[in-house]
Amino acid sequence: EVQLVESGGGLVKPGSSLKLSCVASGFTFSSYGMHWIRQAPKKGLEWIALIYYDSSNKYYADSVKGRFTISRDNSKNTLYLEMNSLRSEDTAMYYCAMGIGDYWGQGVMVTVSS
Amino acid sequence: DVVLTQTPSTLSATIGQSVSISCRSSQSLLDSAGNTYLYWYLQRPGQSPQLLIYLVSNLGSGVPNRFSGSGSGTDFTLKISGVEAEDLGVYYCMQATHAPLTFGSGTKLEIK
Repeated sequence: EVQLVESGGGLVKPGSSLKLSCVASGFTFSSYGMHWIRQAPKKGLEWIALIYYDSSNKYYADSVKGRFTISRDNSKNTLYLEMNSLRSEDTAMYYCAMGIGDYWGQGVMVTVSS
Repeated sequence: DVVLTQTPSTLSATIGQSVSISCRSSQSLLDSAGNTYLYWYLQRPGQSPQLLIYLVSNLGSGVPNRFSGSGSGTDFTLKISGVEAEDLGVYYCMQATHAPLTFGSGTKLEIK
């Protein structure tokens, strides 16, 4: 059974940093591209980052480019999202997703507020 | 960026009724290799999205066959043939042909 479990969220102040993790199981993690997708409260879905299976390519939405960094450790079956210079508009549920959204984690909440 | 316009934004259906959701793209989603990366997801209340349809018309793993997808180019449709109570939630289309990956604004299905 495919499982994606996010962690690392919380309440932080504007300008702060946070690092999210997503631990994968039930599939060959090192064979799949992975995404981070977020959903602001009561809003729709926003793709924010993609990393290829071998980390050879990384892509970001304009809204997070230069502030967020996606990475992965295939030896640990873990996907990461390092978030710097957080803003109130980054407040959202953050989901990791496998492939092209084949499976999604349960999400982790990030709240940016003073 | 590719804009996906979903209609209607809200849909109210009785159990057993058949319904359709439209997703129109601002650009063709057919790539140079002949693939169309159009997907449909359902987000039930309080849950993360789950894949229903991939590549326009292919049923995701474990998805009931009352769900079907169709379309080409810029016009796509998700049909539910015989709504069941568990189908309530928000339906999203998503395209992955053009970077960045984008989602429709969602269609909320309510059960009467």
